[in-house]
Amino acid sequence: DAGVIQSPRHEVTEMGQEVTLRCKPISGHNSLFWYRQTMMRGLELLIYFNNNVPIDDSGMPEDRFSAKMPNASFSTLKIQPSEPRDSAVYFCASSFLTPGQGKLTPGEKLFFGSGTQLSVL
Amino acid sequence: AQKITQTQPGMFVQEKEAVTLDCTYDTSDPSYGLFWYKQPSSGEMIFLIYQGSYDQQNATEGRYSLNFQKARKSANLVISASQLGDSAMYFCAMRETTNFGNEKLTFGTGTRLTIIP
Repeated sequence: DAGVIQSPRHEVTEMGQEVTLRCKPISGHNSLFWYRQTMMRGLELLIYFNNNVPIDDSGMPEDRFSAKMPNASFSTLKIQPSEPRDSAVYFCASSFLTPGQGKLTPGEKLFFGSGTQLSVL
Repeated sequence: AQKITQTQPGMFVQEKEAVTLDCTYDTSDPSYGLFWYKQPSSGEMIFLIYQGSYDQQNATEGRYSLNFQKARKSANLVISASQLGDSAMYFCAMRETTNFGNEKLTFGTGTRLTIIP
């Protein structure tokens, strides 16, 4: 398996532009997580999906951020309009939650993508 | 409230020495799990080790072991015989239950470990 695939690897854009980050989870995983990593705040969970359904989006910073998962093999995180303070590394991760319980299998690990380095000028 | 606390923003350790990375956590759930991840300069997150709250013994994975002290709510990572390739950011994380009854991982702010030759 190729693992979690994120694109682009790097994104440089100007303030006010729309940014779309993409993620392909590991085949067979039923949960997908979007994290943001900054020096000041570390790793923050933005949103996560279970069976393509958004379960918890309480970490999404504001309405400029939106995430979708139209099918089991693809998710996007969109920022519109982007601002310099959105500059960070954005990670996508996938895992398998016990069906019907929404619980991480004991010992189950999150599989992370390589991240997208976003710079908003 | 901070759920996961890593008090060492950076550490320098001589090669071949053992190193302990601190992690304390806060939860009222009787059932929880603790994880350690490594993030090298390339950026990817690599799972290292897991400890369940009901596990009787400390988890070990090769050179990694987890010093789990439940009463103190600490889950320190111990790396024995450190190597240059161990230089990376290390994150402690806790599995917690959300308001929706599902589970997610919450991460600490990380410790940057540098191994000195």
